[in-house]
Amino acid sequence: SQQGEEDPQALSIQEGENATMNCSYKTSINNLQWYRQNSGRGLVHLILIRSNEREKHSGRLRVTLDTSKKSSSLLITASRAADTASYFCATDPDMGRRALTFGSGTRLQVQP
Amino acid sequence: KAGVTQTPRYLIKTRGQQVTLSCSPISGHRSVSWYQQTPGQGLQFLFEYFSETQRNKGNFPGRFSGRQFSNSRSEMNVSTLELGDSALYLCASSLAVGIYNEQFFGPGTRLTVL
Repeated sequence: SQQGEEDPQALSIQEGENATMNCSYKTSINNLQWYRQNSGRGLVHLILIRSNEREKHSGRLRVTLDTSKKSSSLLITASRAADTASYFCATDPDMGRRALTFGSGTRLQVQP
Repeated sequence: KAGVTQTPRYLIKTRGQQVTLSCSPISGHRSVSWYQQTPGQGLQFLFEYFSETQRNKGNFPGRFSGRQFSNSRSEMNVSTLELGDSALYLCASSLAVGIYNEQFFGPGTRLTVL
């Protein structure tokens, strides 16, 4: 079973618009990470936010974390066609079996 | 610095056969994790190796096994292949075990079982 669920499952926007993806998870965590995957290839790490952080920025990416609601969001500002990919959240649980657990992913399509 | 490499990139097998996939981590990385990705189940953790020892294992049957060599290279083996084993198998390396910071992924091996 998957720890995280992403919402929406798919998102289509125009270039220049912002894209927001949400992730909910079930157990308490050490950190939450976001990865990008282009068309069935390997994953690329985007950003990591620790459980004691609430917001983090990296370039055009902004991630928020609400541990009380067990949820996170990824905002991509001023999107580009090259941002077209699937985006996954992954959680590092702070108890039990320590294994990075991925959500189901959001498929983002940015129209040029 | 070279990234994570996986071989082969594509593989076609028939039911009942076995398969071995290989992963070479980034130089200096001693932890290697394996994941299976399918459209239905998404990304699922298979196992993690560190210093030639399996440190963590996901909920997969015993047909799935792995090992790590002294140079940190890792292999995973799937015996008695089933149709449902068709998937993208991803390997990821990181500096340490048990601290899940950034993981560096290889391009994956696409396994098709006929």
